[in-house]
Amino acid sequence: KNQVEQSPQSLIILEGKNCTLQCNYTVSPFSNLRWYKQDTGRGPVSLTIMTFSENTKSNGRYTATLDADTKQSSLHITASQLSDSASYICVVSAAGGTSYGKLTFGQGTILTVHP
Amino acid sequence: DAGITQSPRYKITETGRQVTLMCHQTWSHSYMFWYRQDLGHGLRLIYYSAAADITDKGEVPDGYVVSRSKTENFPLTLESATRSQTSVYFCATNLAGGSYEQYFGPGTRLTVT
Repeated sequence: KNQVEQSPQSLIILEGKNCTLQCNYTVSPFSNLRWYKQDTGRGPVSLTIMTFSENTKSNGRYTATLDADTKQSSLHITASQLSDSASYICVVSAAGGTSYGKLTFGQGTILTVHP
Repeated sequence: DAGITQSPRYKITETGRQVTLMCHQTWSHSYMFWYRQDLGHGLRLIYYSAAADITDKGEVPDGYVVSRSKTENFPLTLESATRSQTSVYFCATNLAGGSYEQYFGPGTRLTVT
């Protein structure tokens, strides 16, 4: 069964600090891995999409890494801001099968940034 | 450019009633999706559509009906609402399936009493 597990479930940090969120997956065959940010009361918004051949991808202060061999990804947030408070969701897309590329969602890591 | 909109944003209904959640996109994306999000679960796919008049079941389709007569609209109907269908529902679109980025609407919070 395809699964995506994220850790920690929740995290509290002080503004200006860095943090790293983890994602482990067992989805096969692998197509791509996505990180989404979901603010309270809003829909998820894509931060990065990484394919098998990409090890690192950045989007401003967000840097995602992917190790396809160990099936692990991380999202590093640099110099956190209050607006980074949100749920961060790791999503893995399976190749083949259904035409839409079946997505498996993690349960998310809730990040709270305190001033 | 409105992108993707959902209506209503909030809905309270009674058990056994029929309720329809609307989703509208202005991008002409081929694929549209309905997800539900509940505490303790990741987003779960209810139904998806690859094009007008083409729909298929996702992971949790029971109790839901969809249609897609026009590319831009993808309504989700709960034919006889149950308390277990209390959830936040998200519509999403995708240019052409597969590895393309998926865009989510703002969500509809549905409460079934």
